[in-house]
Amino acid sequence: DTEVTQTPKHLVMGMTNKKSLKCEQHMGHRAMYWYKQKAKKPPELMFVYSYEKLSINESVPSRFSPECPNSSLLNLHLHALQPEDSALYLCASSQDGLLNQPQHFGDGTRLSIL
Amino acid sequence: AQSVTQLGSHVSVSEGALVLLRCNYSSSVPPYLFWYVQYPNQGLQLLLKYTTGATLVKGINGFEAEFKKSETSFHLTKPSAHMSDAAEYFCAVSDPYSGGSNYKLTFGKGTLLTVNP
Repeated sequence: DTEVTQTPKHLVMGMTNKKSLKCEQHMGHRAMYWYKQKAKKPPELMFVYSYEKLSINESVPSRFSPECPNSSLLNLHLHALQPEDSALYLCASSQDGLLNQPQHFGDGTRLSIL
Repeated sequence: AQSVTQLGSHVSVSEGALVLLRCNYSSSVPPYLFWYVQYPNQGLQLLLKYTTGATLVKGINGFEAEFKKSETSFHLTKPSAHMSDAAEYFCAVSDPYSGGSNYKLTFGKGTLLTVNP
């Protein structure tokens, strides 16, 4: 069982919808990440939060809006997505973001844009 | 910028045979190195990591990897493949001297391992 929980597991939405992805961890980690993964490709980093503050935004379009309400929760708000945004969205966490610490991944939300 | 090369996008072995998945990195300064496995419809699971110390690292599920600085390599091995090892494997590095690239992992393109009965 993964220690990083993502909901929902699957999401289908139209291009005009607003939805949110949720990620939760109870390992006491202080760094949390969002990745996007297309089929047969490695994960691509989108955002990093460190101590509940956004520290990295990899030039992600504004239709993706991250939020970190507390140290255990990470949300990704979605609005006006495009078909090319269909992918597996992975959340990860690490102890406090130092480079020698492994990241722990959730099982992802598989997003389909109609 | 750091880069990671995984030689062979697809490796096929027989059950019980040796598994060897190759990973080379580009940094002249030894980075931190990780191997992750991804089973179908799941996230990434850490197999093992190298940060400092012993260059032969043992991980979960019988896997191990050896850091070779002279070859800038971190190949993953397992003496005897099981059917359950079939998955996608990613090598990843983080560069302790990358300055503004804190928190980032650079992933290889992945190697799909299939195990034949």
